[in-house]
Amino acid sequence: DVQLVQSAAEVKKPGESLKISCKASGYSFTRYWIGWVRQMPGKGLEWMAMFYPDDSNTKYSSSFQGQVTISVDKSISTAYLQWNSLKASDTSIYYCVRGVTFGGVIAYFDYWGQGTLVTVSA
Amino acid sequence: DIVMTQSPLSLPVTPGEPASISCRSSQSLLHSNGYTYMDWYLQKPGQSPQLLICMASNRASGVPDRFSGSGSGTDFTLNISRVEAEDVGVYYCMQALQTSFTFGPGTKVDI
Repeated sequence: DVQLVQSAAEVKKPGESLKISCKASGYSFTRYWIGWVRQMPGKGLEWMAMFYPDDSNTKYSSSFQGQVTISVDKSISTAYLQWNSLKASDTSIYYCVRGVTFGGVIAYFDYWGQGTLVTVSA
Repeated sequence: DIVMTQSPLSLPVTPGEPASISCRSSQSLLHSNGYTYMDWYLQKPGQSPQLLICMASNRASGVPDRFSGSGSGTDFTLNISRVEAEDVGVYYCMQALQTSFTFGPGTKVDI
């Protein structure tokens, strides 16, 4: 079975760095896009970034470009999302997603992780 | 970015009755390859979102056949033929035509 298992909840202070993870299993990690979606408290869904492990192709939302870094470790089928300096406004649930391509386009997100709650507070 | 809008934003439903949610995009989601890149997701209370419908009208694996998606261009509809109690949650449409994926604001469905 395909699974995306995310790291545990984090509580951080403004200005601190953070790296959360998403371990994939049950499929060939390098053959699917993997990415992150943000959900701020009580709000909707916002796509952040995607990574294609086979060739390291990376895509960012303009809203998040320069604010976060997506990376993967192919050897352990794990994707990461990293912040260098957190802000209180980064407080959200972050979901890991698997992206499926169809017709040469990333067409949909067929598997979602359980979510990682990040709380940033002084 | 493509803007997605949904209506209604809140939908009270009655078990056994049909329900319908509309989604509109600010530009056509028809790709030059002939496919339409619009998906529907359901986020049940306290859970991660799950894929319901991909590419406008294709039910995802394991999704009951009471769910159906239709539409083309800029106007799309999610239909539930007979609502069940387990269908409550927030329904989101999402465009995948452009890699700057954008979601609709969500439609909250409750009994």
